Amino acid sequence: DTEVTQTPKHLVMGMTNKKSLKCEQHMGHRAMYWYKQKAKKPPELMFVYSYEKLSINESVPSRFSPECPNSSLLNLHLHALQPEDSALYLCASSQDWVQAGDEQYFGPGTRLTVT
Amino acid sequence: AQKVTQAQTEISVVEKEDVTLDCVYETRDTTYYLFWYKQPPSGELVFLIRRNSFDEQNEISGRYSWNFQKSTSSFNFTITASQVVDSAVYFCALSEAGDDKIIFGKGTRLHILP
Repeated sequence: DTEVTQTPKHLVMGMTNKKSLKCEQHMGHRAMYWYKQKAKKPPELMFVYSYEKLSINESVPSRFSPECPNSSLLNLHLHALQPEDSALYLCASSQDWVQAGDEQYFGPGTRLTVT
Repeated sequence: AQKVTQAQTEISVVEKEDVTLDCVYETRDTTYYLFWYKQPPSGELVFLIRRNSFDEQNEISGRYSWNFQKSTSSFNFTITASQVVDSAVYFCALSEAGDDKIIFGKGTRLHILP
């Protein structure tokens, strides 16, 4: 089973709202990732968790706050977003950190619209 | 610095034609990994293949085949007898051993016309 699930599938939020994106995998993977993808662009890495610890923050604004409650779950807390944050947010996981060259498995994404 | 170039922004072919998607990479490392991902309109990136720099063997999986040539720093992807379901954006990607992220190319949007 190479499935990564994400909820919700779609999210519309105002600039003053607080919401969370959720990601789950049951493949026993130890690395999990958040990506942001704008239309007609490749995914851009936001955060990497390795063994439940934040390993990489690609200078993401603090209005995005990641959390890894356990090795299977990854959350992205959203607060005071801007319209330009509207995008597809993809979660991924890999057996080990990308340094090992492991492939990443992606979830279906959450399409976020900030109004 | 590592870099992935997919020069073909968009390709359209008629169903059953063969099509090759080009990928050229740059890296200074001797150990690195190459990937292809498919992104259909639904949005999910689907992993297709992973190759490490020491394995130049070409690979075939059904109608899909990959040609890895270190001499030209290329990792091209061919779909034989294309089908409408192959319509998607295809990303080539690179990671270097010891590095902390995958570098994606800009993607090639493939349209298979019925």
